[in-house]
Order: sequence, then C-alpha cells, then structure tokens
Amino acid sequence: AQSVSQHNHHVILSEAASLELGCNYSYGGTVNLFWYVQYPGQHLQLLLKYFSGDPLVKGIKGFEAEFIKSKFSFNLRKPSVQWSDTAEYFCAFTSGTYKYIFGTGTRLKVLA
Amino acid sequence: GAGVSQSPSNKVTEKGKDVELRCDPISGHTALYWYRQSLGQGLEFLIYFQGNSAPDKSGLPSDRFSAERTGGSVSTLTIQRTQQEDSAVYLCASSLATASGGVQGTQYFGPGTRLLVL
Repeated sequence: AQSVSQHNHHVILSEAASLELGCNYSYGGTVNLFWYVQYPGQHLQLLLKYFSGDPLVKGIKGFEAEFIKSKFSFNLRKPSVQWSDTAEYFCAFTSGTYKYIFGTGTRLKVLA
Repeated sequence: GAGVSQSPSNKVTEKGKDVELRCDPISGHTALYWYRQSLGQGLEFLIYFQGNSAPDKSGLPSDRFSAERTGGSVSTLTIQRTQQEDSAVYLCASSLATASGGVQGTQYFGPGTRLLVL
C-alpha cells in the first residue's frame, strides 16, 4: 500500500540550529511530492512542492527539500530555524492522481 | 483572494446526533476534497468531488458518512448518529482541477472543523 513515513514525531531545536525532517514514501512510480506546514491555530499551508526537474526544491520562508529517487525520500531542510517555525510539518505525495497520501506529521518546537 | 473556508470551526455534539460540516472552496476550483485528521494520525482521505460528482467515495469510513456538493461550489459533509470515534478535525481542500496531479491539482486546505462527540 502507498504510504508516507515521517521518522521524527517530535523535534526540539534551539533558534539558529539547522533542521532536517525526514520523509520517505512507498511507491515505485512517478510521484508529486509536497510539504505542508500547520502553524499553531492555523490551517495547513503549502510549503513547497516537487513535480519534475531539479530535485532540489526551494519553498517559502527559507525551506528547501531534496527529492532523492533512489532513496524514495523528500527530506525538508532549513539552515537556521527561527522561533516562528514552530509548527507541525506534513509530507505528502500523489502518484499522479488527486489522492494525496499524507504522513503522520512532525511537530517542531523551536526554543527562543 | 479568499481561501477555502469551513464552518463551523468547532462543533461539540452528543453521541447519536447528526452533524453537518460545510466547506466553501476557492472560487473557480472545480475539485474538492474532504479529509479527516485524528489525534496523532496523518490526514485520512474521505471523498473527492469533481464538479458535483463524487467519483471516489472510498475513504468514507461507514454509511453514516455522506457528502454532497451543489452548484460546483459548496460542499456539505454529514455524519449521522455520531460516535465518539468520529471526533477529529475534518479538513476540506480544493484544487483548480484534478487533472493527473500536477500544478493544477495542488490542493489548498481550509482551517478545518474540530468535531468533538461526547
């Protein structure tokens, strides 16, 4: 079955630390990949997406993600986190259809 | 422009009662989706609409759940005879088109309705 695995359920970092959130998907074909973020009290927002081309995708607020096809991974990175990055982050993919498969999310807490 | 809106934002109901959750998609978006987010779980796909038709209802957990969409716009998710396990956040999303994924299929989410069944 198609699924997404987010390895870290909770991450705590100090401001200015570097961030990497893992995401692995299970599907052997072509995929579209997404990271969504949910800030406290707010709705899910699209952070970045990958459809094709350059596997290094840059999103909003300094986030980037790299698609590594051989590892079925789409890890999210940010060189220096801020307190305002405290949120829950969801990885998702679609195998070219409307049905998004979501991971269970990673709660990030950034200490000021 | 306005995003996806949902109402109510919170709903507390008693076990056995029926509830209706509403979603207003982004204007011009032909595709609409319902998801459920339970505590500690990812988003669970419930149903998808293309226009007023629901080609895929496979995610609806039981026959107590139903949804409709009228005028290619507003959608209502109805849960009959609610149970405590229905407590969750119900999210609606819309996209310009479903196509086969891709840019036009990028889904934009509403703020959700937090349902608590006592």
